[in-house]
Amino acid sequence: EIVLTQSPGTLFMSPGERATLSCRASRSVSISSLAWYQQKLGQAPRLLIYGASRRATGIPDRFSAGGSGTDFTLTVSRLEPEDFAVYFCQQYGSSPPTFGQGTKLEF
Amino acid sequence: EVQLVESGGGLVQPGGSLRLSCAASGFTFSSYGMGWVRQAPGKGPEWVSGISHRDASTNYADSVRGRFTISRDNSKKTLFLQMNSLRVEDTAVYYCAKYGGSGFTWVLNPFDMWGQGTLVSVSS
Repeated sequence: EIVLTQSPGTLFMSPGERATLSCRASRSVSISSLAWYQQKLGQAPRLLIYGASRRATGIPDRFSAGGSGTDFTLTVSRLEPEDFAVYFCQQYGSSPPTFGQGTKLEF
Repeated sequence: EVQLVESGGGLVQPGGSLRLSCAASGFTFSSYGMGWVRQAPGKGPEWVSGISHRDASTNYADSVRGRFTISRDNSKKTLFLQMNSLRVEDTAVYYCAKYGGSGFTWVLNPFDMWGQGTLVSVSS
């Protein structure tokens, strides 16, 4: 199975700053089948990005993402207070689908 | 409004069984693959199982194959997960999730909708 490694584990930021999160795969992710999710405390994950760079419905444009092969990034251009949460990447191009261990965005 | 509501979690002893249910509303349930994803405390999510919308074909994570069974009732818009021979390491919040695409490549999609989760605790 494809192992996803996210870095850093915790990212200390302030509102208004730009945050960049990384997700590295143990082998190439097919057809850029990479998604990003946001999870707030006590809530289910919410899909932010799919296809490596496509924003899901209703996701503000301060969230952007890119990458291909084994290296992917999620960028939040101007952090809002509600963006402080845990972010997971997921690959769904190979079975089984797998998730990273998460990056906590902390204020 | 698209909604997934899980039920059936609880405390069970090792070796015991539980049946989870997920009631869907707000979308055409019979048109989408569905899955179960679990998350142990402080860990990333782990995919458990998926079921197609067409022929109810199923797939499972190696960690649960042979112990868990996923099924669906399209007439009642409900997804199920029968969990047998439960182990301590199965302890987690279990989420029902909708695959984001339909068609023959339903499994090659992210999860675009998740339920609120139900806690399964396996302990003696």
